Amino acid sequence: KAGVTQTPRYLIKTRGQQVTLSCSPISGHRSVSWYQQTPGQGLQFLFEYFSETQRNKGNFPGRFSGRQFSNSRSEMNVSTLELGDSALYLCASSLASGIGNEQYFGPGTRLTVT
Amino acid sequence: AQSVTQLDSQVPVFEEAPVELRCNYSSSVSVYLFWYVQYPNQGLQLLLKYLSGSTLVKGINGFEAEFNKSQTSFHLRKPSVHISDTAEYFCAVSLAHGNTPLVFGKGTRLSVIA
Repeated sequence: KAGVTQTPRYLIKTRGQQVTLSCSPISGHRSVSWYQQTPGQGLQFLFEYFSETQRNKGNFPGRFSGRQFSNSRSEMNVSTLELGDSALYLCASSLASGIGNEQYFGPGTRLTVT
Repeated sequence: AQSVTQLDSQVPVFEEAPVELRCNYSSSVSVYLFWYVQYPNQGLQLLLKYLSGSTLVKGINGFEAEFNKSQTSFHLRKPSVHISDTAEYFCAVSLAHGNTPLVFGKGTRLSVIA
């Protein structure tokens, strides 16, 4: 069974631009969560989607948004990029929503904002 | 809100020696606890989790952890480490009730020395 895939793996953008990251969950998984990982703040939860509905949202500004499609694939978008948005963005999928369900992580997308 | 403290940011240890990575959490209600490992340029992989039941939890790759409610700790141990265990280890907590996201510690970098 294929794991969680994230595209692109690396991305360089300029301040003020916007970016869209994509996540394809493991086949059959309906829940997708997004995390931001930085050296200073560590791993921080962005949001979770289940059956195309946002179930949970972390403490991030409205510039960060996401969505989930009917095939469970998910995208996250960051508008008006800032230097501080440089990070590794991780996507995780699980069979269902709820923390008892094991999350499987993708390799991440490394975003660099210049 | 729950929080996690990983007491050591870096732990160097010689090959075949035992290791303990420390994790303390803060929560006024019941929690679920997790340990994840992250190898360079990869996503996170679940090592083990405590949801309920026995306080000694065995995971993959020979790791185990013990849930200590009175000390609010969930330390990770391995009796004999290998070079391949060199990685970043993250402790995470979530409330046992309600659909709350994972809160991660800042991580402990384990370096195994030959």
